[in-house]
Amino acid sequence: AQSVTQLGSHVSVSEGALVLLRCNYSSSVPPYLFWYVQYPNQGLQLLLKYTTGATLVKGINGFEAEFKKSETSFHLTKPSAHMSDAAEYFCAVTSNNRLAFGKGNQVVVIP
Amino acid sequence: DVKVTQSSRYLVKRTGEKVFLECVQDMDHENMFWYRQDPGLGLRLIYFSYDVKMKEKGDIPEGYSVSREKKERFSLILESASTNQTSMYLCASSRTVYSNQPQHFGDGTRLSIL
Repeated sequence: AQSVTQLGSHVSVSEGALVLLRCNYSSSVPPYLFWYVQYPNQGLQLLLKYTTGATLVKGINGFEAEFKKSETSFHLTKPSAHMSDAAEYFCAVTSNNRLAFGKGNQVVVIP
Repeated sequence: DVKVTQSSRYLVKRTGEKVFLECVQDMDHENMFWYRQDPGLGLRLIYFSYDVKMKEKGDIPEGYSVSREKKERFSLILESASTNQTSMYLCASSRTVYSNQPQHFGDGTRLSIL
């Protein structure tokens, strides 16, 4: 079965600094990959997805991710963190028509 | 925009009660899912359904059942609630069975079993 690994449950970033959240996947077939964000007391919201085509994917709120097959990675970045980016972020890979989620990264933005 | 609506944001029930969590989606999606979310464990799939009256077990189905009588509605049932089922429950839907379709989530139900 496919799976993803997200390291570091809590990530602190200064306002205006680069946001980098790492995601590595394990898949025996070409993967479909997703990043979701969860704001406090809300459900998950799709940030971006990679299915086929361009390996650099742009999402909402200034986030982007790059699919690197050779590194089995799909890291999420944003050039400049904003206070409103404080949330939990989940990477996911499709597995048998379901999604397999990572354990998430709680992002704290420091003023 | 897809709207996935969960009937309750917060719910408090007692041990041994039969608990129903309801979820409705308004986009004629084929697939519907129930997850539970616990700190440090991420999201774990309980059950999913790819058609009316069809269901499949996820990773943690024990103690739960589901019902899908209409395409837009997917219910999660705790047959006899226990304290270890205190959790956040999330419902989701996706358009088709194809793996490239994203899932759309409701706002969750925070369930406490006393």
